[in-house]
Amino acid sequence: SQKIEQNSEALNIQEGKTATLTCNYTNYSPAYLQWYRQDPGRGPVFLLLIRENEKEKRKERLKVTFDTTLKQSLFHITASQPADSATYLCARGNYGQNFVFGPGTRLSVLP
Amino acid sequence: KAGVTQTPRYLIKTRGQQVTLSCSPISGHRSVSWYQQTPGQGLQFLFEYFSETQRNKGNFPGRFSGRQFSNSRSEMNVSTLELGDSALYLCASSLEGTGRAGNTIYFGEGSWLTVV
Repeated sequence: SQKIEQNSEALNIQEGKTATLTCNYTNYSPAYLQWYRQDPGRGPVFLLLIRENEKEKRKERLKVTFDTTLKQSLFHITASQPADSATYLCARGNYGQNFVFGPGTRLSVLP
Repeated sequence: KAGVTQTPRYLIKTRGQQVTLSCSPISGHRSVSWYQQTPGQGLQFLFEYFSETQRNKGNFPGRFSGRQFSNSRSEMNVSTLELGDSALYLCASSLEGTGRAGNTIYFGEGSWLTVV
């Protein structure tokens, strides 16, 4: 079955540093990966999508990579701020199929 | 424009009862999908509806059902509630459905269900 693993349940970093979150998938490569942010008691909010044939995508302070050899996606937040503290979810997608979400990584940015 | 609206926001039910949750998607969106989120299992896909037809279904027992109306509004129903059904139920809407890359899905705030 298709699985998504996010290797850290929780990650603490200092304000101003770069946060790096990892998403690993099993079996065949998904057509695309999506990253979401979820605040406590709220629904997830879409951040970035990266397709299988793309190496890297950027949006403001966010960067996501997709390595099909390692079966891994990395999500970076540069110049992190306390407001970036949230749970970040990775989801794999394939055409005609539903998303499979990872368990999430709870990021805490310490002032 | 208005986001995805889910009602009720919080509810408490007794084991054995049934519950109906409602979701109004973003105007113009034809796809509605439902997810269950628990601390232990994370975010798990329940089912997706597109233009009133169920398009995908997750690995949940038949006690979980849903439907979509002609105005794209959707409901999900859980019958014979069990303690393990306590969870945050999230609805998400999109223009063309979750199976298409680049098609952003928008989540509602969820319905918190507690079964006692």
